Formats: sequence, structure tokens, C-alpha cells
Amino acid sequence: QLQLQESGPGVVKPSETLSLTCSVSGGSIRSSNSYWGWIRQPPGKGLEWIDNVHYSGSTNYNPSLKSRVTMSVDTSKNHFSLRLYSVTAADTAVYFCARARGGPAALFDQWGQGILVTVSS
Amino acid sequence: DIVMTQSPGSLAVSLGERATINCKSSRSLFYNTDNKNYLAWYQQKPGQPPKLLISWASTREFGVPDRFRGSGSGTDFTLTISSLQAEDVAVYYCQQCYDTPLTFGGGTKVEIK
Repeated sequence: QLQLQESGPGVVKPSETLSLTCSVSGGSIRSSNSYWGWIRQPPGKGLEWIDNVHYSGSTNYNPSLKSRVTMSVDTSKNHFSLRLYSVTAADTAVYFCARARGGPAALFDQWGQGILVTVSS
Repeated sequence: DIVMTQSPGSLAVSLGERATINCKSSRSLFYNTDNKNYLAWYQQKPGQPPKLLISWASTREFGVPDRFRGSGSGTDFTLTISSLQAEDVAVYYCQQCYDTPLTFGGGTKVEIK
């Protein structure tokens, strides 16, 4: 059974870079039709899509975050990563990684448990 | 961007009664080439990630009870829980998967009356 697990620091200082990794187990990140994505949820609020990446490296970013986001895939480690630059308090959220089914414009059929990242000095 | 608007924001329903959640998109989510509506529904319980319930507006995922039904086409969609159970207390989200940026509705909180 496919499982995803987010990892990274729980606290990031303002203006610094948030770095998260999603480890995929029970299946290959190289699955031909699968994209992999990040979605975030500020405390008590709704869901915001950040980006999707294919194992080939093809990416799709949310324009609202595009200038501050980089997403990458490491097929040898079966994981993918997110870097969000110049964070502010508004970036405080639970960050979920997920498998995206259906291409870059996709729905998310498997999710990690999520990791709370707080931006604070 | 495609804007997804859910209503109501919250509702309280008695056990065994019907719950109805609406989702409206700012553009049609129907794709002529494959006759599919690119709309998904998720259920999120406290402290958990969202769980995919319904894809393509009306296809239940494996293991999802048949009391959950998705309907609608184009810009107007509905998630119906035919007989609310205690374990259905959650926030429900719709999401368009027609185009990037992918967008979600604001969520509907379902509680027991």
C-alpha cells in the first residue's frame, strides 16, 4: 500500500527557506502516470495547492507562490521535495504531500499525514 | 483561476437524515473529449489529511460507503450523504482538477444536530 511521509523542520524563521521532503513507500515514484504534489492548510483554514511534479522533473506551480517555490524529485531515494523561500508568518500551515492522479491538473488520491510548519523568530 | 464556491459553510443534520453540500465553479469543469467533469470531493476529519471520496464528480472511490453520492455537471455539483452517520462528522471540500492552478472550495463543516 502506497504511503507518503513528510519530514522537515517544524519551525522556520521569517525570511528563511522552508525545506520539506516527502518519502514515498510501497510504490515507485517513477510510476508513469503519477504526479506528486504539495498542498498546505493554514491552521483552521482551507486547502491551498502549491505545486505538482512528475518524476521526469516536469513541474506545475501555483502562480501565487511560483516566484518563491522550487520542487524536485530524487528517484534514487524515492522522494520529492519542496523549497519555499523568504517565508513569512502567512506561510505557517500544515503541509501535505500527496499523489496526484490524472496529470498535472489532477486530484489527490493518497496523502501524507501532514507536517505543521510554523514561521516564527 | 477557477473559483470554487461551496455552500453552506456549515450544517447540522440529525443522525440518519440527509446532508447536502453544494459546490459551484466559476467555469465549466466538463471536458468534451472524455465526457468527464473534473471535480473531486474530499472528507477531512480533525487532525487527519483529506481523504478522496469521489472523483470525476460522481465516481466513488473504492471502499467509500454508498451513502455518499456525487452529482452535477458543468458548473454546479452536489455531494449528498443520504443517511448521516456519526463517523461522517467532518469538513468536506470540493476541488477542480480541470486546470492549474488547482483550486479547492472553502469547505463545509458537517455536524450532528
